[in-house]
Amino acid sequence: TQLLEQSPQFLSIQEGENLTVYCNSSSVFSSLQWYRQEPGEGPVLLVTVVTGGEVKKLKRLTFQFGDARKDSSLHITAAQPGDTGLYLCAGAPAGAQKLVFGQGTRLTINP
Amino acid sequence: EAQVTQNPRYLITVTGKKLTVTCSQNMNHEYMSWYRQDPGLGLRQIYYSMNVEVTDKGDVPEGYKVSRKEKRNFPLILESPSPNQTSLYFCASIHGPANKQEQYFGPGTRLTVT
Repeated sequence: TQLLEQSPQFLSIQEGENLTVYCNSSSVFSSLQWYRQEPGEGPVLLVTVVTGGEVKKLKRLTFQFGDARKDSSLHITAAQPGDTGLYLCAGAPAGAQKLVFGQGTRLTINP
Repeated sequence: EAQVTQNPRYLITVTGKKLTVTCSQNMNHEYMSWYRQDPGLGLRQIYYSMNVEVTDKGDVPEGYKVSRKEKRNFPLILESPSPNQTSLYFCASIHGPANKQEQYFGPGTRLTVT
């Protein structure tokens, strides 16, 4: 059983559309992070959210941490082919010293 | 340039033949970690190290060993590889406190055990 459940696991949409990826848990996290991984490379950190209800924007990407710090979402506006990749959420469970990762969402943006 | 390097990038080996995957970071981080990535399972932690000579098991340590004799290097050792260890392996160098960690990943090592 995954501590962090991501949905959907696969998403294929057309360029210009909007999308949202979810990362859910029944546990409370001190923080949640989102990474993007491209083929042949390691994951790269996009953002860390720490406060319940926090919203962070990175150009066309909007990240939100749930009020109860149990879930997070990633919203992409006007998706572009360059957004294609594997998106991973990762969280630091309250009181723990390490990150746990979701299983990932493989996103494909078609031109 | 801040980076994490892993070698080799690709390895095909046979069951039982000992192998080592090296990992090196130039950011002077104390905390390093090894993960394996398998389809549908995400990244699972194998071992981590909080500092030189301090290592501990992650979620899937069986069949693996690590050492941390110096801060920059954190090799992963498979004493007797088996086919279920076929996977994509990532080393990470970690900065920051537990609730605000920034993980810097290496490029990955794709291991196939036949």
